[in-house]
Amino acid sequence: AQSVSQHNHHVILSEAASLELGCNYSYGGTVNLFWYVQYPGQHLQLLLKYFSGDPLVKGIKGFEAEFIKSKFSFNLRKPSVQWSDTAEYFCAVSMYSGGGADGLTFGKGTHLIIQP
Amino acid sequence: DGGITQSPKYLFRKEGQNVTLSCEQNLNHDAMYWYRQDPGQGLRLIYYSQIVNDFQKGDIAEGYSVSREKKESFPLTVTSAQKNPTAFYLCASTSGQGTEAFFGQGTRLTVV
Repeated sequence: AQSVSQHNHHVILSEAASLELGCNYSYGGTVNLFWYVQYPGQHLQLLLKYFSGDPLVKGIKGFEAEFIKSKFSFNLRKPSVQWSDTAEYFCAVSMYSGGGADGLTFGKGTHLIIQP
Repeated sequence: DGGITQSPKYLFRKEGQNVTLSCEQNLNHDAMYWYRQDPGQGLRLIYYSQIVNDFQKGDIAEGYSVSREKKESFPLTVTSAQKNPTAFYLCASTSGQGTEAFFGQGTRLTVV
């Protein structure tokens, strides 16, 4: 079955530290890739997305992600985190399986806590 | 403003009762989805619909039912057959295959 794995369920960092959240998927076909963020008490919102082209994509709030097809990975990075980055982060993959929109498959999420 | 509206925000239900969660979108999106979010489990797909009068089961459809009589609306019914219905339910829509999903603010259902 198709799946998305996020390597870390809980991450605690200090402000100004660098961040990398891992995401791997299991599907050999065409994919679109997303990172969503859920701030406390707010709804899910899109951080960034990859459809095609340059595998290094930049999103909002200084986040970026790199698609490495050979590794089936789409890791999220930020050079210097802020306290306001405390949130739940979800990797999601849309996998084409013959015609329809099957919905996004989500990872289990990474709860990121930034300590001042 | 365009978006997705879920109602109510909080819902309490007695065991054995069916309850319907509302989801309306004014984005003119063709596809709509229902997800369930549980702590540590991420989002799991319950049902989705690509066009009016058509819908498909997701990964955890048992105990749920949906309808898609209008493009704008995709209500979810949590039936008494759902063994563990207490959860946070999210509705989403997309404009086409593989595109970005827009989410509602969610409904937190508690069975008492």
